[in-house]
Amino acid sequence: AQTVTQSQPEMSVQEAETVTLSCTYDTSESDYYLFWYKQPPSRQMILVIRQEAYKQQNATENRFSVNFQKAAKSFSLKISDSQLGDAAMYFCAYRNSGGSNYKLTFGKGTLLTVNP
Amino acid sequence: GAGVSQTPSNKVTEKGKYVELRCDPISGHTALYWYRQSLGQGPEFLIYFQGTGAADDSGLPNDRFFAVRPEGSVSTLKIQRTERGDSAVYLCASSLKGGTGEAFFGQGTRLTVV
Repeated sequence: AQTVTQSQPEMSVQEAETVTLSCTYDTSESDYYLFWYKQPPSRQMILVIRQEAYKQQNATENRFSVNFQKAAKSFSLKISDSQLGDAAMYFCAYRNSGGSNYKLTFGKGTLLTVNP
Repeated sequence: GAGVSQTPSNKVTEKGKYVELRCDPISGHTALYWYRQSLGQGPEFLIYFQGTGAADDSGLPNDRFFAVRPEGSVSTLKIQRTERGDSAVYLCASSLKGGTGEAFFGQGTRLTVV
């Protein structure tokens, strides 16, 4: 079974600064997807960024980028120029790429606080 | 609708009662997932529907939990003889079959068993 570990229960960052959230995972699969989701107090999970394991290039979405280290099974999220609206719970998630069941396995989350 | 809709938003029930939680997925999404998120935890998979059938119910914790999707659209998660440990946020997600399969989530139902 796949597992996802987020070792930072809480992180804080000053507005306009950069912060990195850590995630490690365990799987025996060679092809899979990794995700970062944001969960504000509204509870809705919002997809921030996605990485396909077969792609060597790290995914980037505006101020959000990842550092994907496949051999180390590490998948960190970097948020640049942090904004007050970035404050939320962030979850790292794993999904197999094969078959049709796209169920996600989540970590326990990191609570990000952005200080003005 | 434009997104995944879950009702009710909040539900308080007494221990031992029966509850139903509803999920209305994005139109055209054949895959539907239920997750349970306990306080301070990430969401945990409960059940996956492809169309009308439950393709994977391995995450259901016990036989008090049951889910249906009779017409391949709206799904109902049913919990019998509720226990205080069932208190959690229940999230629903839907996705297109195949492709990237990106999951779109609803805002969840917060269930409190008193």
